[in-house]
Amino acid sequence: EVKLVESGGGLVLPGASLKLSCIVSGFTFSDYWMRWVRQAPGKGLEFIGEIKPDGSKTNYAPSMKGRFTISRDNAKNTLYLQMSSVRSEDTATYYCAQGWFAYWGQGTLVTVSS
Amino acid sequence: DVVMTQTPVSLSLAIGQPASISCKSSQSLLGTSGKTFLNWILQRPGQSPKRLIYQVSKLYSEVPDRFSGSGSETEFTLKISRVEAEDLGVYYCWQGTHFPWTFGGGTKLELK
Repeated sequence: EVKLVESGGGLVLPGASLKLSCIVSGFTFSDYWMRWVRQAPGKGLEFIGEIKPDGSKTNYAPSMKGRFTISRDNAKNTLYLQMSSVRSEDTATYYCAQGWFAYWGQGTLVTVSS
Repeated sequence: DVVMTQTPVSLSLAIGQPASISCKSSQSLLGTSGKTFLNWILQRPGQSPKRLIYQVSKLYSEVPDRFSGSGSETEFTLKISRVEAEDLGVYYCWQGTHFPWTFGGGTKLELK
């Protein structure tokens, strides 16, 4: 069974940094592009970025470039999203997804507030 | 970025009725490979999104055949032949032809 489990969300102060994790199982992690998507409360889905199977290349949506960094550790079956200088507009549930959004995690909620 | 526009925003139907959701893109989604990367996902209440259809009309193996997808270039449709209770939620189209990948605003299917 394919499983993706995000963690690392919570309440953070504006301007802070945060690192989200996504631990996967049930498939060969190192074979797949992995992607991050976020969903603000009551809103639609917004693509953040993606990382190549071997971790050698990342691509980001232009609106996300600069403050978000995606990385992975294939030995640990784990995908990461480093968020920096967070602001209130970053409040959302953050999802990791396998490949072409074939499987999604349950999401982790990040709330940016003072 | 390619803008994906879905209509209607919400749909209220009784069990057993047919449903139709439109998705229009601001650019043609026909890729240089000859494939059209228009896809559909469903987000049930309180859940994460789940895959439904890829490349316009191909159903994932676990998706019931009451779902169908059609369209080309910039206009696409998701149809449900007879709505069932488990079909309730928000449907999103998304495109994988032009980076960055973009999602439609969603269509909420509710029970009448």
